[in-house]
Amino acid sequence: NAGVTQTPKFQVLKTGQSMTLQCAQDMNHNSMYWYRQDPGMGLRLIYYSASEGTTDKGEVPNGYNVSRLNKREFSLRLESAAPSQTSVYFCASSAVVDYEQYFGPGTRLTVT
Amino acid sequence: GQQLNQSPQSMFIQEGEDVSMNCTSSSIFNTWLWYKQDPGEGPVLLIALYKAGELTSNGRLTAQFGITRKDSFLNISASIPSDVGIYFCAGQLIGGANNLFFGTGTRLTVIP
Repeated sequence: NAGVTQTPKFQVLKTGQSMTLQCAQDMNHNSMYWYRQDPGMGLRLIYYSASEGTTDKGEVPNGYNVSRLNKREFSLRLESAAPSQTSVYFCASSAVVDYEQYFGPGTRLTVT
Repeated sequence: GQQLNQSPQSMFIQEGEDVSMNCTSSSIFNTWLWYKQDPGEGPVLLIALYKAGELTSNGRLTAQFGITRKDSFLNISASIPSDVGIYFCAGQLIGGANNLFFGTGTRLTVIP
């Protein structure tokens, strides 16, 4: 039982490049989330998926897109990376009812 | 996004001492969560609180959901070196969608 897994762990992009961050959970959770973590800012929600087939914007969605591929997988895409998107990205999941979110190990992204 | 004020921002304590930290908001929350994050890792859930006034323990950790629903407290008794890390509070708004808002963290250093 791996919990929440994320790939890649590290990534360096040039401005304008695109990439997709992958997330998978094996806890049979309905809800999944993408956060970014910046120094002094705490964790901020980018997008979430309350259940398979639905996605909604969080606090900071600009510059990102998401896909809930199936119940297990939730990907985050940067279409044209910008230096302001340099951050650590965390995926999380929860069973909808109790709101306890479980986090993956993170992806450290640098955009130059 | 919602503002959660977490204090103190950092603490330096001697091994064996007790620790207290808190989180306050101008908004009413219906869930409070406390997480710990080690360097290079994702946040790990420590304690979840669902009712005003609730007091919950997890080993040496005790957390309380404030009566006003606008604050929460975390205490660590008899600190040990592995308690080192960043502690985050998170609150979910009444009537909010599936998302949590995080404090900026308390960085704990334990001196052996």
